[in-house]
Amino acid sequence: AQTVTQSQPEMSVQEAETVTLSCTYDTSESDYYLFWYKQPPSRQMILVIRQEAYKQQNATENRFSVNFQKAAKSFSLKISDSQLGDAAMYFCAYRSGNNNDMRFGAGTRLTVKP
Amino acid sequence: NAGVTQTPKFQVLKTGQSMTLQCAQDMNHEYMSWYRQDPGMGLRLIHYSVGAGITDQGEVPNGYNVSRSTTEDFPLRLLSAAPSQTSVYFCASSYSVAGGYEQFFGPGTRLTVL
Repeated sequence: AQTVTQSQPEMSVQEAETVTLSCTYDTSESDYYLFWYKQPPSRQMILVIRQEAYKQQNATENRFSVNFQKAAKSFSLKISDSQLGDAAMYFCAYRSGNNNDMRFGAGTRLTVKP
Repeated sequence: NAGVTQTPKFQVLKTGQSMTLQCAQDMNHEYMSWYRQDPGMGLRLIHYSVGAGITDQGEVPNGYNVSRSTTEDFPLRLLSAAPSQTSVYFCASSYSVAGGYEQFFGPGTRLTVL
């Protein structure tokens, strides 16, 4: 079964600085999708960014970008110009393109210091 | 659009009691799923449905039943609650199973089994 690993239980960043959250995954599939979700204290899961495995270009959404290294099975999230509102739990997720399997990492708690 | 709604928001049960967690979506989504979130473990897939009348098991299905009689509703039943089922439960939906379509999450239900 596919596994998703987030090796950083907690991270902190100074406001306006840049931070990178790590994620690695294990799969034998060639068709899959990767996601980063944000979970603020409200508990609501919010999609941050999505990457299709067949695309070589890294996805970008405003201040959020990913570094997708398919051969290394790595999918890190970079947050630029960090804001206080970015403080949350961040989950990396893998969705199979062949079946209904979706796996989440254990999460990284991001603190933003003013 | 209300999106994905879940009721109740909080619930306390005694061991052996039964209950149903409700989930509804008004986006005409084909795919619906239930996850549980435990500390340090991210979200784990319990059951999912790819359309009315079709359900299947996810990663951690034991102790839970589901049904999908309409496109909109996907209730999760606990037949005999156990303390190990203390968790936060999320319902999610997406347009389709195929492709990397975004999953929209409900606000979650915090369940405590004493």
